[in-house]
Amino acid sequence: DVKVTQSSRYLVKRTGEKVFLECVQDMDHENMFWYRQDPGLGLRLIYFSYDVKMKEKGDIPEGYSVSREKKERFSLILESASTNQTSMYLCASSSGQERPEAFFGQGTRLTVV
Amino acid sequence: ELKVEQNPLFLSMQEGKNYTIYCNYSTTSDRLYWYRQDPGKSLESLFVLLSNGAVKQEGRLMASLDTKARLSTLHITAAVHDLSATYFCAVVPPQGAQKLVFGQGTRLTINP
Repeated sequence: DVKVTQSSRYLVKRTGEKVFLECVQDMDHENMFWYRQDPGLGLRLIYFSYDVKMKEKGDIPEGYSVSREKKERFSLILESASTNQTSMYLCASSSGQERPEAFFGQGTRLTVV
Repeated sequence: ELKVEQNPLFLSMQEGKNYTIYCNYSTTSDRLYWYRQDPGKSLESLFVLLSNGAVKQEGRLMASLDTKARLSTLHITAAVHDLSATYFCAVVPPQGAQKLVFGQGTRLTINP
């Protein structure tokens, strides 16, 4: 079974803090993704990575950065957290081959106060 | 830009009834996915549809894909309470990276 593990289920951070969300997958997948989920808006792509040290912006990259130093790990960084970044964050990975089905982590509910 | 729209967004139904969730997308794609999400949980993969006319069934759920109409349907037969969840469709753009673009989700509530 593919396993995608996010480091925290719940986080509470203060405005202006630097926040790290970590994601690890154990299936040697090339692609990794960070999505944000908000009520009524579905899942929106923040950043994705198709190889180590490679990254591309998604639909809503503002206020975020990412790091992929190892194939299995993809980190999302909030440089200076703001209240409008309170959300559910979901990490996913896929094999990048003919059937790029994405497998999701359990999610991190981040609250910025 | 690829856009994915689901309808309805909210659906409340009685056990034993049939209903269909629709997923429309705006540009060519031959890969469509259906996911289920329970409250407070992550997304669970239900179906992967890879070609025009593809049909997949699992229990009371059946998904189909019409790439010419850019439409997928998720049909629920004789609904049971355990199927209450939010259902998402997602589409891969025709070229470029392997990212998924999601619909808004359909929150399905099945009442006993």
